[in-house]
Amino acid sequence: DIQMTQSPSSVSASVGDRVTITCRASQVINSWLAWYQQKPGKAPKLLIYAASSLQSGVPSRFSGSGSGTDFTLTISSLQPEDFATYYCQQANSFPLTFGGGTKVEIK
Amino acid sequence: QVQLVESGGGVVQPGTSLRLSCAASGFIFNDYAMHWVRQAPGKGLEWVALISYDGRYKNFADSVRGRFTISRDKFKNMVYLQMSSLRSDDTGIYYCARNLVGAVDPVYFDYWGQGTLVTASS
Repeated sequence: DIQMTQSPSSVSASVGDRVTITCRASQVINSWLAWYQQKPGKAPKLLIYAASSLQSGVPSRFSGSGSGTDFTLTISSLQPEDFATYYCQQANSFPLTFGGGTKVEIK
Repeated sequence: QVQLVESGGGVVQPGTSLRLSCAASGFIFNDYAMHWVRQAPGKGLEWVALISYDGRYKNFADSVRGRFTISRDKFKNMVYLQMSSLRSDDTGIYYCARNLVGAVDPVYFDYWGQGTLVTASS
C-alpha cells in the first residue's frame, strides 16, 4: 500500500496568511493526487485533483503543485472560511489512501 | 444538483450485519463509479469500496474484503454496502461518494453524501 504522509499535522495562521501544506507519498504516484477540505461535522470537499487542477467552484486562492512523491497545497491568502482540516489522497493505485490530515487553526 | 443521501446506520453488536444505502440524484447515475469512504470518530479518512458504473468491477480495502459487499441498482439509482461480521473498528461515519470521472480510475471523489454513523459496540 502507498503511505501518504502530511506535514505539518496542524498549523496556526491568521487571516491573510499564506499557508502551505505538504504531502509525501511512499512511492512515485506521478500526478495522481487530490486535496480535500473538511470542516467539523461535514463531508470532505474536493479542492484539487491531478495534483494541480482546481475543482470547479473552488476559489483561486487554493493551488496545488508537485509530482512524483512530493506535493504541496497552498492557500495564498487565508480566509475565515478556510479554517478546516485538509487531506491529501493518492489515486495512483488501489487501495486508495489518504494522508493523516492537517488542521488549519486560527492564530 | 447532485445529491447523495446515505441511510441505514445505527448501533449494532459486534459480529452482526448491517446494510447501508445511498440514494443518488441530480446526475446520470449509470455513468459513474461510486464509492464508500469511512471515518472513525476523530480520525482520518479511509476508502472502503468501489463499484464501477455498470456494477461489473468491484474493489475493497483489505480491512473489509471478505466481510463487506457493494452493489448498485440502476433502476432505483441506489448504491448499497452490505456489512457483515462487524467489528468495533468498523465504527465510524460512512460516506457515499461519486467518482469525478465515469471510469473506475483515476479516483477522485467529487461529491459526497452527509454520511451515516455506524457504531459496532457491545
